[in-house]
Amino acid sequence: NAGVTQTPKFQVLKTGQSMTLQCAQDMNHNSMYWYRQDPGMGLRLIYYSASEGTTDKGEVPNGYNVSRLNKREFSLRLESAAPSQTSVYFCASSYQYFGPGTRLTVL
Amino acid sequence: GDSVTQMEGPVTLSEEAFLTINCTYTATGYPSLFWYVQYPGEGLQLLLKATKADDKGSNKGFEATYRKETTSFHLEKGSVQVSDSAVYFCALNAGKSTFGDGTTLTVKP
Repeated sequence: NAGVTQTPKFQVLKTGQSMTLQCAQDMNHNSMYWYRQDPGMGLRLIYYSASEGTTDKGEVPNGYNVSRLNKREFSLRLESAAPSQTSVYFCASSYQYFGPGTRLTVL
Repeated sequence: GDSVTQMEGPVTLSEEAFLTINCTYTATGYPSLFWYVQYPGEGLQLLLKATKADDKGSNKGFEATYRKETTSFHLEKGSVQVSDSAVYFCALNAGKSTFGDGTTLTVKP
C-alpha cells in the first residue's frame, strides 16, 4: 500500500515547454485533487475529480489541464509553462492523503 | 465563497509551553474542518478533524473543537515539543477543500 505517489519529484522547464505531472493512489478513493503551494499562500486548488470520469475547476485552473485516466490516476498537464507556474504541486486522494509533492521551476 | 483565516505566524515557543493557533472560517452549509501538519520538505499530513458542530478532534496531544457559533476551530496543545516544529494548516471541506495560509511553529529547547 503505497498511498499517493507523484512523479517526478523535481522538474525544471523553460518557458513554453510542456509537461505532465503524474499522480496515482491505491486506496480506491473516488475523489482526487491537485493543489499548488506557494510561499506564504497555503494550498490553492487547481482542479479536482469527484469520481472517475469527472473533473472540475478549482480556484486557479488557468494554464492547466487534467485527466482522470481511471480511478487510480489523475494527471496534471502544463501545455505551455510560464514562470508564474513555478511552485510545489501536491496531489491528494480524498481529503486526507497527500503525495510528497513535485517541485517545479520554470525559467 | 468559502474561506479560512489563520492566525498569522511565525509562532515561537519554548518546549513545554501551551500552544494555541487560531482558525476561523466562512462557509455555506456545514463543512467538515481539519488541521494538517507539514514538516520541511514533505507533503501535508492530516492531524485531526471534526465533522459537525461541538465535535472535538484530537491526535498526538493536539485538540480542536468545532464551534459553529463562533465559526472557529482553534488548535491547542498543552505542552509542545521540539518535534512539533512544523507548518500547521487549517482547512474546511464542503465538497472541495479550502486551506488557510498556514502558521509556522518553531519550538525551542
